[in-house]
Amino acid sequence: SYVLTQPPSVSVAPGKTATITCGGSNVGRKSVHWYQQRPGQAPVLVIYYDSDRPSGIPERLSGSNSGNTATLTISRVEAGDEADYYCQVWDRSSDHVVFGGGTKLTVL
Amino acid sequence: EVQLLDSGGDLVQPGGSLRLSCAASGFTFSNYAMNWVRQAPGKGLEWVSGISAGGGSTYYADSVKGRFTISRDNAKNILYLQMSSLRVEDTAIFFCAKEGPVGAFFFDSWGQGTLVTVSS
Repeated sequence: SYVLTQPPSVSVAPGKTATITCGGSNVGRKSVHWYQQRPGQAPVLVIYYDSDRPSGIPERLSGSNSGNTATLTISRVEAGDEADYYCQVWDRSSDHVVFGGGTKLTVL
Repeated sequence: EVQLLDSGGDLVQPGGSLRLSCAASGFTFSNYAMNWVRQAPGKGLEWVSGISAGGGSTYYADSVKGRFTISRDNAKNILYLQMSSLRVEDTAIFFCAKEGPVGAFFFDSWGQGTLVTVSS
């Protein structure tokens, strides 16, 4: 089955840029979606189709996808960005939705 | 405004059964595929099951196939998850999630979650 690999944690100072990676075999050939989950809350879609933002999501959040790595970038990080972030794809070969293991973003 | 209200979570013994519901409003329910995603305590998100807009196609994670059944009532705007032969490892918060446009395979709205605890 298809596997997405994320770093368990990323730390960044306020105002700096956070980069969260999502690795998978030829993931660049798939559409990658990203979710933000704050403690005790349901996930929220923040990036879809690799780099599109739903309405209401700030432009500071951006996504890219190429080769074996998809990336979520958060510029000018704020305290409110502290959350868990998950990448997700549809694996057509198995008809399964696949989530990465999640990355905890800590704002120092 | 899209609203998804999950319910039905409870404490159940191993081997028991439970039915979860997700009441949808604020969109044309019958036009969208729906899914269930769960999260064990302190763990990440795990996709459980999905169903097409009309209900004719269903999909299951290997961990629940043969034990869980997803269904929907488009007249009542309700999504269901019938769970049987429950195991301790099924303990989790279960979220219903609405897919984006047809073939999108991403989840643009989520319920608040309902807690299922499997324990003797």
